[in-house]
Amino acid sequence: AQSVTQPDIHITVSEGASLELRCNYSYGATPYLFWYVQSPGQGLQLLLKYFSGDTLVQGIKGFEAEFKRSQSSFNLRKPSVHWSDAAEYFCAVGAGGGNKLTFGTGTQLKVEL
Amino acid sequence: DAGVIQSPRHEVTEMGQEVTLRCKPISGHNSLFWYRQTMMRGLELLIYFNNNVPIDDSGMPEDRFSAKMPNASFSTLKIQPSEPRDSAVYFCASSLDRDRTEAFFGQGTRLTVV
Repeated sequence: AQSVTQPDIHITVSEGASLELRCNYSYGATPYLFWYVQSPGQGLQLLLKYFSGDTLVQGIKGFEAEFKRSQSSFNLRKPSVHWSDAAEYFCAVGAGGGNKLTFGTGTQLKVEL
Repeated sequence: DAGVIQSPRHEVTEMGQEVTLRCKPISGHNSLFWYRQTMMRGLELLIYFNNNVPIDDSGMPEDRFSAKMPNASFSTLKIQPSEPRDSAVYFCASSLDRDRTEAFFGQGTRLTVV
């Protein structure tokens, strides 16, 4: 069965600083990988996805992620964080039909002004 | 399109009562998913439908839970009887198809069973 590990429960960064959120997955075949963001009281919004091809994928709001098969990782990055990026971030792997998602436990991002 | 619409947004009910959560997927989407989010277990897939047919309900916790999709524009998740441990946020999501397309999530229903 597939699984996702997000080792950082909480991360605090200063506004303008760079950000990297870690995600490791376990899946026997080629994974479909996703990053979602959840603001308080809201649903999940897709930031970016990887299905195949270029291992560096660009998403919305200036986010990017890199798929590294050798490390089973799909880390999320942003060069300069804005206060509005404060939210919870979920990494997910899609198995079988791609959209049958298994989520990580999430990383809560706090942005200091 | 208004996105995935869930109702109600909040539900408070007494233990033992029946609870019905509703979802309207994005028009034209063929796949629909029900997820549950709790502090202890995070986000879990309960069941998903493709073309109104339940494909995988292995995540449904027990027989008290049931889900239906009578047509392409409506789905329900029912809990009968409800228990305090069912308290969670329930999300519905839809996607154009089951493969290689992103899932769009509704804003969720926060269920509290007292």
